[in-house]
Amino acid sequence: SQKIEQNSEALNIQEGKTATLTCNYTNYSPAYLQWYRQDPGRGPVFLLLIRENEKEKRKERLKVTFDTTLKQSLFHITASQPADSATYLCALWTYNQGGKLIFGQGTELSVKP
Amino acid sequence: DTEVTQTPKHLVMGMTNKKSLKCEQHMGHRAMYWYKQKAKKPPELMFVYSYEKLSINESVPSRFSPECPNSSLLNLHLHALQPEDSALYLCASSQDYRQGQDEQYFGPGTRLTVT
Repeated sequence: SQKIEQNSEALNIQEGKTATLTCNYTNYSPAYLQWYRQDPGRGPVFLLLIRENEKEKRKERLKVTFDTTLKQSLFHITASQPADSATYLCALWTYNQGGKLIFGQGTELSVKP
Repeated sequence: DTEVTQTPKHLVMGMTNKKSLKCEQHMGHRAMYWYKQKAKKPPELMFVYSYEKLSINESVPSRFSPECPNSSLLNLHLHALQPEDSALYLCASSQDYRQGQDEQYFGPGTRLTVT
């Protein structure tokens, strides 16, 4: 069956450390993988996109890697801040899913001062 | 303007009521979406409109009726809902839903409670 799995437990880290979030998928062949941030009671906000033929993408303190052999994406936030506390969602886009973005269940990140 | 607006922010309705949710974007996007999100769950796609035509209906019950009056507006008409339909309803838009590299812009959502 098709699955997208993110860190099931909430992630608690100290301010200034690097947060690493995992997105694993099964029985999908994503052409694109997107990461979104969602604050409680708000809509998701797009952060980064990576294509199937890209290994790594960076934007300021954010870095995404994509390994199609391992079927995994890692999302890193360096020099984390309490303001980074939120739920982070990975989302796959595949041609054979009819153009739909399929979301993982999200990982809740808490950065303590 | 990269904002998607949704009204109302909160809605409480009885099971016999008829109400509508509204969504608006002025980014020139041709794809608009309705998602339903329950607490601690990911957004779940309900409908996709592309160029004002319904392109995807994820087998949503007929008590939810979408409408796209023009390229900037998206409505969701609600009728005879059940308590389990209580959720955050999110509207989103993107350039074209068939392009996986297009990011989706989400509105703040409407928190719906069915009593």
